[in-house]
Amino acid sequence: DGGITQSPKYLFRKEGQNVTLSCEQNLNHDAMYWYRQDPGQGLRLIYYSQIVNDFQKGDIAEGYSVSREKKESFPLTVTSAQKNPTAFYLCASRDRVNIQYFGAGTRLSVL
Amino acid sequence: QKEVEQDPGPLSVPEGAIVSLNCTYSNSAFQYFMWYRQYSRKGPELLMYTYSSGNKEDGRFTAQVDKSSKYISLFIRDSQPSDSATYLCAMSTNYNQGGKLIFGQGTELSVKP
Repeated sequence: DGGITQSPKYLFRKEGQNVTLSCEQNLNHDAMYWYRQDPGQGLRLIYYSQIVNDFQKGDIAEGYSVSREKKESFPLTVTSAQKNPTAFYLCASRDRVNIQYFGAGTRLSVL
Repeated sequence: QKEVEQDPGPLSVPEGAIVSLNCTYSNSAFQYFMWYRQYSRKGPELLMYTYSSGNKEDGRFTAQVDKSSKYISLFIRDSQPSDSATYLCAMSTNYNQGGKLIFGQGTELSVKP
């Protein structure tokens, strides 16, 4: 089955800790995206990557970092500098007609 | 002013009703228009996709884009309890400009049996 796989489904972060959210796709898409969703709000773009070894900041990149070493993988690290990390994190990839397909999400909470 | 405005609801309708969901936008460069459906605690799934202006129909769902008014709509006919979800409009400019989607804040819909 082709799609986007995010793991883990739930994640807890302690004070001062960095945590990494995984995103893998087998759709052979070049572009991948990370969004943050807070209750009652739409999706806000954190980072995106249009090609391997290249990525750009979105609207709310502060406190986050990414890497894109493989086409299939686009992990997101939530660093200790992100003071309000509790949210639902969504990863997506984009096809050739500009449609984005989403994973099931990771819910991050602070202990 | 946000680039994309969407009434957050919540919207509650009886089963069988016609539902109208709407978004307005300010950027005239938007060319790609989408509606996503998101069930609670799940990722959004694409419902409808329109390039440029016009109408598109798929079963009980109809998407309309009016670029002159900067207004898009999603109509759901014969609504079912299984349609209860949050509906997100999304739009983007040229594919070559990163394909970034700008989302509305979502409308929460509840269809009562």
